[in-house]
Amino acid sequence: DADVTQTPRNRITKTGKRIMLECSQTKGHDRMYWYRQDPGLGLRLIYYSFDVKDINKGEISDGYSVSRQAQAKFSLSLESAIPNQTALYFCATGPGGYSQGYNEQFFGPGTRLTVL
Amino acid sequence: ILNVEQSPQSLHVQEGDSTNFTCSFPSSNFYALHWYRWETAKSPEALFVMTLNGDEKKKGRISATLNTKEGYSYLYIKGSQPEDSATYLCAHSNDYKLSFGAGTTVTVRA
Repeated sequence: DADVTQTPRNRITKTGKRIMLECSQTKGHDRMYWYRQDPGLGLRLIYYSFDVKDINKGEISDGYSVSRQAQAKFSLSLESAIPNQTALYFCATGPGGYSQGYNEQFFGPGTRLTVL
Repeated sequence: ILNVEQSPQSLHVQEGDSTNFTCSFPSSNFYALHWYRWETAKSPEALFVMTLNGDEKKKGRISATLNTKEGYSYLYIKGSQPEDSATYLCAHSNDYKLSFGAGTTVTVRA
């Protein structure tokens, strides 16, 4: 079974709809991340969480919110989806606890979101 | 603007041939350089993490080198096989986050 799972894997929605993407992990990691990937661009960090009570904005958090329901679960919400949020979204987890800056991360398979 | 750049964006290589491509990154405030292999519809898979200038890592036919002073890393594929077709991502670690390049997409032609 996959260590990092994302649901749904594909979603088509309309402008203005609220969408939630879910991520679960069985690796026991404290750190969880949400990225989006657009063609020609690297993965860009939306939000990250170092534990259940710690939520931080990444470089492109506008239009998104997150919830860390448990150590193993981290969901990403689009309150009112717009077409330029069409992208591939990745969840990742990391153990932390290494020397500063090592940042080993393990990725889910991605959710492809299309906003019409 | 990406501060981690990968080149070329894509390449085609004949089965059996070797190839290499680069990742450049800021040399200041460096902690680690990660390489991932990503096949469409799958999870990006970690290949290497390198932390020291001059590091060389190898996994089967794939190897990587690191120059932190000048801010670049090379990834090499020796004797390319069709299963090497994928997008290879590098990511620069500074403190709490990874900054990714846009990737090099490798297509191995049989």
